[in-house]
Amino acid sequence: DTGVSQDPRHKITKRGQNVTFRCDPISEHNRLYWYRQTLGQGPEFLTYFQNEAQLEKSRLLSDRFSAERPKGSFSTLEIQRTEQGDSAMYLCASSLALGPNSPLHFGNGTRLTVT
Amino acid sequence: GQQLNQSPQSMFIQEGEDVSMNCTSSSIFNTWLWYKQDPGEGPVLLIALYKAGELTSNGRLTAQFGITRKDSFLNISASIPSDVGIYFCAGNTGTASKLTFGTGTRLQVTL
Repeated sequence: DTGVSQDPRHKITKRGQNVTFRCDPISEHNRLYWYRQTLGQGPEFLTYFQNEAQLEKSRLLSDRFSAERPKGSFSTLEIQRTEQGDSAMYLCASSLALGPNSPLHFGNGTRLTVT
Repeated sequence: GQQLNQSPQSMFIQEGEDVSMNCTSSSIFNTWLWYKQDPGEGPVLLIALYKAGELTSNGRLTAQFGITRKDSFLNISASIPSDVGIYFCAGNTGTASKLTFGTGTRLQVTL
């Protein structure tokens, strides 16, 4: 069973550095989502792609954040000039867009710590 | 961002007891989902509900989509130690699958 895969699992970086995370969705899923989860909270939506098109971005996604899905398969999320407030778990999810009834399946996340 | 209200925030129960938790929203949702999250891992889908009034079971888990479409509950029967974790409700309002998550219910099971 090849579920959603995220890399790295953990990332520690110094404030001001750039970081990039990768997500590989379930292979037949054409929708891919990025969520952010801080301690004690539920995940919050950041952005999603259908195939290679980025269809929606949350207001949480500041200009320092950029996500890509160039060939409609894996996706990357880059954070430039990291700030301590960026410390969180970044979760990727995928789904099959057959209509509204397409539940999201999540990966195990990348935990980012900005020191 | 907007989040759904879940209650209780945490529960301590004995193994074998039944558990009930619920989720409410000020908005109408088209889909309700229940996820479980273990420490250091991503949420795992437990049950998905697509119609108001729908009652769905998955083993010892039962969930219902409220008639008003503004609430949902999850019941766990005969709890076991591996039920420990954080349970999140989530819903969506539109045709896309973007989810709004609840604040979570932390379940602890004692032997």
